[in-house]
Amino acid sequence: QQKVQQSPESLSVPEGGMASFNCTSSDRNFQYFWWYRQHSGEGPKALMSIFSDGDKKEGRFTAHLNKASLHVSLHIRDSQPSDSALYFCAASGVNTGNYKYVFGAGTRLKVIA
Amino acid sequence: EAAVTQSPRNKVAVTGGKVTLSCNQTNNHNNMYWYRQDTGHGLRLIHYSYGAGSTEKGDIPDGYKASRPSQENFSLILELATPSQTSVYFCASGEQGNTLYFGEGSRLIVV
Repeated sequence: QQKVQQSPESLSVPEGGMASFNCTSSDRNFQYFWWYRQHSGEGPKALMSIFSDGDKKEGRFTAHLNKASLHVSLHIRDSQPSDSALYFCAASGVNTGNYKYVFGAGTRLKVIA
Repeated sequence: EAAVTQSPRNKVAVTGGKVTLSCNQTNNHNNMYWYRQDTGHGLRLIHYSYGAGSTEKGDIPDGYKASRPSQENFSLILELATPSQTSVYFCASGEQGNTLYFGEGSRLIVV
């Protein structure tokens, strides 16, 4: 069973729109979260990390973490066709010795021009 | 940016054959990882390493071995390849608790 669950499985938004991704952990030991993006034919690349409750903004990307509910989200404003990709949530924590990272199954985003 | 290079990028192997996937990183990271990516499963951890000479089992190690002969190199070995090991394999490197840097992937088909 996936310890990190992502939703939705896929998402289509118009160019300029807002894309939102959700991630929920089933393990309360996970304390550190990342969002990765993978374009077709490439390896995943880190977008941003979030370790504290609340919001973290980097350009068009905003991540939100609620440790009490084990929920992390990612929002992309002003979505561009180049944002079309597979988005992964990843978690790490005390019980993994901070060495192991558990990934969700991913959300596929399509931005329609 | 961290550089992680995988080889080969594409491989077709026969059932029962031996396959070695190689990974090299040039950023002196202590930790290296091997993941496989399959639709619906995301990235699943096969083996990882804390440093030269160490290898640890990940979440799905059965049928795979790993070797870390140096800080820079980490190999994944399939001694007896099976069709169920057809997948895309990613190597990654990083430091404890920090961002992972991935290679471009190795696509393996076992026939």
